Amino acid sequence: QVQLQESGPGLVKPSETLSLTCTVSGGSISSYYWSWIRQPPGKGLEWIGYVYYSGSTNYNPSLKSRVTISIDTSKNQFSLNLTSVTAADTAVYYCAGQYSSSSCVDSWGQGNLVTVSS
Amino acid sequence: EIVLTQSPDFQSVTPKEKVTITCRANQTIGSSLHWYQQKPDQSPKLLIKYASQSISGVPSRFSGSGSGTDFTLTINSLEAEDAAAYYCHQSSSLPVTFGQGTKVEIK
Repeated sequence: QVQLQESGPGLVKPSETLSLTCTVSGGSISSYYWSWIRQPPGKGLEWIGYVYYSGSTNYNPSLKSRVTISIDTSKNQFSLNLTSVTAADTAVYYCAGQYSSSSCVDSWGQGNLVTVSS
Repeated sequence: EIVLTQSPDFQSVTPKEKVTITCRANQTIGSSLHWYQQKPDQSPKLLIKYASQSISGVPSRFSGSGSGTDFTLTINSLEAEDAAAYYCHQSSSLPVTFGQGTKVEIK
């Protein structure tokens, strides 16, 4: 099973862009779907979107206008950009992997807490 | 969007007791329903996939059942280490969604 590790700033100012990167190790980034999932403090899980190794993406309609997920297969990394953030975007952001677009999530990163505050 | 509703939201249970958590979808999702366990300050861990399929390394006291709109996660003979939040997740249609979670506390 692959290992996933998120990296990025823990504090972002309101109206700015949240950027996170996930590094995949212990396996190839190819032939898998890579997702971002977030969890506000004390609350449940929300799927943000996924990217396939080919570069195709799918986003949650609730966030689609602000989200971009991209992949760099040469670095075994995929990334999340979320624009125009507000306090409501404060959450632990998990990167995750699944073997198909309709399968369970079988690999999770440790999570990266991002706080939106001035 | 498919809405998943779990019940109960919270359950306080004594060790060795049986725990039953339900997840109801607002439209049919076949067997595309998965269960995760999340302990404090940890990432979720896959417990059951496709409603009833077991996962390697997960204790046999965890089992799942159901199809269509109604699903159940059962923990037989609860152990102290099972204190956690449990989430259901549907992958039948996009956007994938999660239940609101059920917190299980050990008395």
